[in-house]
Amino acid sequence: AQSVTQPDIHITVSEGASLELRCNYSYGATPYLFWYVQSPGQGLQLLLKYFSGDTLVQGIKGFEAEFKRSQSSFNLRKPSVHWSDAAEYFCAVGPTGYSSASKIIFGSGTRLSIRP
Amino acid sequence: GAVVSQHPSWVICKSGTSVKIECRSLDFQATTMFWYRQFPKQSLMLMATSNEGSKATYEQGVEKDKFLINHASLTLSTLTVTSAHPEDSSFYICSATAGGAHQETQYFGPGTRLLVL
Repeated sequence: AQSVTQPDIHITVSEGASLELRCNYSYGATPYLFWYVQSPGQGLQLLLKYFSGDTLVQGIKGFEAEFKRSQSSFNLRKPSVHWSDAAEYFCAVGPTGYSSASKIIFGSGTRLSIRP
Repeated sequence: GAVVSQHPSWVICKSGTSVKIECRSLDFQATTMFWYRQFPKQSLMLMATSNEGSKATYEQGVEKDKFLINHASLTLSTLTVTSAHPEDSSFYICSATAGGAHQETQYFGPGTRLLVL
C-alpha cells in the first residue's frame, strides 16, 4: 500500500534562510508525487508535481523538489523563504498509471513558521 | 484557470439537521471530484470519489447514507451531511480533476467549515 511520511511536524526558519521539507514515500513502483501548500483556513494549492523525466522539478513561488528513487524521497526546497511562505505543506503520492480518477494519499503535513 | 469554489465557506447548524455543501469547477469540466475531511492540525482524509453521472465510491469507514454525494453535472458536486451531529464538525474540502491542458492534477476548493451544535 502507498504511504507518505513527513517526518517534521513543525519547522521554523528565519526569513531569507533556505528551506528543505522532507517527504518519504512507500510504493512499489514509480509513484506520482505532489507538493501542496495550505494557508490558514484555505484549501490546497499545488506547488509542483513529478510524473516522470527530470528528477528536479520546478514549481511556483520559487519552490523546487527533487525525486530520489534510491532514497524514496521527494524533498521540497526553497533557497530563500519569505514571511508569506508560512503555511502547512503537504506531500502526496499517487499510483503508477495515475489518472484523473486516481486517489492520492496525503502525508501528515509540515507546518512552516517564519522567524522575522 | 482551474478554479474550484465551495459554498458555503462556513456553516453552523443544530444537531439533527442536514447540511448541503456545493463544489463547483468554475472554468473547466470536472469528470471526477473528490471529497475530503480535515480535522484540526491533521491531514486530509479522502471520503469519497465521484464521477459525473454515476454513484460515488466511498472510502472504507465512511457512511454513505450519512454523507450523500451527488455529481449531477460536469461542474457541480454536492455533499450532504444528513442528521449532523457534533462529531461531524470538521473542515470539508473538495477537489476536481479534468483532462486536456490541466491533465490529472487535482484542484482544490477553499473548503467549508462545518460546526454542529
